Amino acid sequence: AQKITQTQPGMFVQEKEAVTLDCTYDTSDPSYGLFWYKQPSSGEMIFLIYQGSYDQQNATEGRYSLNFQKARKSANLVISASQLGDSAMYFCAMREINTGTASKLTFGTGTRLQVTL
Amino acid sequence: EAQVTQNPRYLITVTGKKLTVTCSQNMNHEYMSWYRQDPGLGLRQIYYSMNVEVTDKGDVPEGYKVSRKEKRNFPLILESPSPNQTSLYFCASSLWPNNEQFFGPGTRLTVL
Repeated sequence: AQKITQTQPGMFVQEKEAVTLDCTYDTSDPSYGLFWYKQPSSGEMIFLIYQGSYDQQNATEGRYSLNFQKARKSANLVISASQLGDSAMYFCAMREINTGTASKLTFGTGTRLQVTL
Repeated sequence: EAQVTQNPRYLITVTGKKLTVTCSQNMNHEYMSWYRQDPGLGLRQIYYSMNVEVTDKGDVPEGYKVSRKEKRNFPLILESPSPNQTSLYFCASSLWPNNEQFFGPGTRLTVL
């Protein structure tokens, strides 16, 4: 069963607007971590933001915030005030802590974001 | 500078010719992993290592080998590459347990 689902293959957003990239996950482990990575056209993987399953507040890092809805098993990435440099592929990933595979990140298939003028 | 390095960055080879992709990290991380990235499939884990001499299979280990003789190095070995191993490969390292994985720059492999 797919554990991370990103249903938006591609998204467009105008510069300076906010955009939400969707991510839902599936796990029976009560302890897990959720990550978002950015992959620009140059290919490197850039860590953006992390949310732990027991964190009480939604994570924020600059213009990035994670809208964590635990009951719905969703971890959407919100980018505020989009910039042209935000154009990239975005991956949601999950690490389950108690299953014995805590060193493994399970990735979604990604969302390609294009920021337009 | 804290980093994960991979070599080579680009490689074109032929079916059956053994190759090794090196990975090294300077952050004293216990955990290291190899992923492959294919269009429409995201990143899938090939192998991981929790410490020196401790390795285990990920989701797609067939056709690959790894070793972890030193903490900093985690080479990926393709004993007999085939065209379906053409992919973009990433090495990553991290601390335990809820830390980000630091990724290397990627190795683009083409097997003809």
